[in-house]
Amino acid sequence: EVQLQESGPGLVKPSQSLSLTCSVTGYSITSNYWGWIRKFPGNKMEWMGYISYSGSTSYNPSLKSRISITRDTSKNQFFLQLNSVTTEDTATYYCARYLLYNNYFDYWGQGVMVTVSS
Amino acid sequence: DTVLTQSPALAVSPGERVSISCRASEGVNSYMHWYQQKPGQQPKLLIYKASNLASGVPARFSGSGSGTDFTLTIDPVEADDTATYFCQQSWNDHTFGAGTKLELK
Repeated sequence: EVQLQESGPGLVKPSQSLSLTCSVTGYSITSNYWGWIRKFPGNKMEWMGYISYSGSTSYNPSLKSRISITRDTSKNQFFLQLNSVTTEDTATYYCARYLLYNNYFDYWGQGVMVTVSS
Repeated sequence: DTVLTQSPALAVSPGERVSISCRASEGVNSYMHWYQQKPGQQPKLLIYKASNLASGVPARFSGSGSGTDFTLTIDPVEADDTATYFCQQSWNDHTFGAGTKLELK
């Protein structure tokens, strides 16, 4: 069974970078696409971006200048880096598998809450 | 951005039928998907591409629609269906609805 697990600091200071890891088991990240989605307090959800089986990336235009998604295929992990964070980046961050053919997210991690605060 | 509009909340009795709507600000073809999220849990895929039941999802759940208007139907509703239901489109990048909170009477 495909399982995803996010990890990373739960507290980040404003202007610093947010870095999260998604560890995948039961499936190779060299197949399909792998994405990050976040859910803000109040329920709004935002697609952040994804990385493909080949390592190419696609980002939400609203984040394009601050976001980077990379991977380590040897560890079957992919990563999110979001630079210059503000309190508005406080959210629960999810990683998920993205099926390109029908364009939906089928397996999600449990999510990690990240608070941006000094 | 394609904005998805959902009703904020619904309340139904167990055994009834409920329809949850999602309206897109522009056409999304059939690239509308539905997720269920319970408190403290990750979203769970219910329906993909408007009307396709995801693996392992009970047949009580169904989806319909195309273009700009989509519906998720649960019939009959069970107590365990208490959750927030999100729609998501993937025709124009990816955007999500604000969610409909389903409560049981």
